[in-house]
Amino acid sequence: EAQVTQNPRYLITVTGKKLTVTCSQNMNHEYMSWYRQDPGLGLRQIYYSMNVEVTDKGDVPEGYKVSRKEKRNFPLILESPSPNQTSLYFCASSLSWTSGTYEQYFGPGTRLTVT
Amino acid sequence: AQSVAQPEDQVNVAEGNPLTVKCTYSVSGNPYLFWYVQYPNRGLQFLLKYITGDNLVKGSYGFEAEFNKSQTSFHLKKPSALVSDSALYFCAVRDTGGTSYGKLTFGQGTILTVHP
Repeated sequence: EAQVTQNPRYLITVTGKKLTVTCSQNMNHEYMSWYRQDPGLGLRQIYYSMNVEVTDKGDVPEGYKVSRKEKRNFPLILESPSPNQTSLYFCASSLSWTSGTYEQYFGPGTRLTVT
Repeated sequence: AQSVAQPEDQVNVAEGNPLTVKCTYSVSGNPYLFWYVQYPNRGLQFLLKYITGDNLVKGSYGFEAEFNKSQTSFHLKKPSALVSDSALYFCAVRDTGGTSYGKLTFGQGTILTVHP
């Protein structure tokens, strides 16, 4: 089944404790992206990757890191999480971004709470 | 910079009536426009897109949207609403003329509630 998977789905952690949220897709998609969803703010793009080893900042990259060493994986790293990073996070992928016409497929989401 | 506005936080409509969820955008070049839907406790699902061509685009579940360049709008419509259409709807835009080549910007979302 074609899908985007995220792990973990739920995470409660403490301020300053490094964490990684994994994202994997099995559709051979070139483009992958991370978003956070907060009430009243919609989805905001954190980072995106147009292909392996090509990443760039979205609208809210502060406090986050990403890497794209393989086509299928795009982990989101929080080196020192803070309470304002408590949010619902979504990973998404699309076939290509070169033409920009392709819709994105979203993962199920990761609910992160930082205390 | 590209931006999207969904002016209504909530839209309420009776089942069987037509529905409209509004979206306006701002870009420097030509827009690629998308609508996504999020059901409770689920990820987002693609509904439809406008890239070029006919201003009226049709998508999943009987939804359609009309691209209006002069009004910079891309409103989502459905002729006859169903209770099962109740969900959170997001409009999104990519600016083909911008410098942020890979960015996709979403609106804040509109909660659609269809009453029986």
